[in-house]
Amino acid sequence: ETGVTQTPRHLVMGMTNKKSLKCEQHLGHNAMYWYKQSAKKPLELMFVYNFKEQTENNSVPSRFSPECPNSSHLFLHLHTLQPEDSALYLCASSHAGTGNTEAFFGQGTRLTVV
Amino acid sequence: GENVEQHPSTLSVQEGDSAVIKCTYSDSASNYFPWYKQELGKRPQLIIDIRSNVGEKKDQRIAVTLNKTAKHFSLHITETQPEDSAVYFCAADTGTASKLTFGTGTRLQVML
Repeated sequence: ETGVTQTPRHLVMGMTNKKSLKCEQHLGHNAMYWYKQSAKKPLELMFVYNFKEQTENNSVPSRFSPECPNSSHLFLHLHTLQPEDSALYLCASSHAGTGNTEAFFGQGTRLTVV
Repeated sequence: GENVEQHPSTLSVQEGDSAVIKCTYSDSASNYFPWYKQELGKRPQLIIDIRSNVGEKKDQRIAVTLNKTAKHFSLHITETQPEDSAVYFCAADTGTASKLTFGTGTRLQVML
């Protein structure tokens, strides 16, 4: 167990649904990330939060909405998704500011949009 | 922004042979280069990393080399074993925004 937990592990949702992915870390890190992993683009950075502030939005469509209420929790709110959004969504955390540090990943949420 | 290219996309080797995976990066400010291994159905995990002030680092059967002038770095696995079969990702980080940019991954298969 690396200390980064994601729920749910699997999610099937319709295109009109609204759902949220949750990530929690108990490593004392202050940076958290959302990555999308699919066959086309293996590890694609979506959002970065440093000290609860969003510092990166990698041209992600607005149907994905992140939320970081504190340095230990990160959410990804989903609404009106498309089938091409089906992928593995990975959360990660690290020590921000120093850079050059290991990112610890959660086990991911396998999302299927039908 | 940073762009990391990784080659090859797939690599098959016989057990006991060596495997080499190569990456190039574009941002000369990048100073941290980790390698992650992702086994089937599991999360990516760090296996080795190198910082820009050294040219080579070794940990048992794995080693990483860095050429800052040419902006490329490589992962070397010697005496490969079946448990080395996985997808390997290189990454680069400038250290200023705590943002890792990953390569596209190499699927390594070690054959018995």
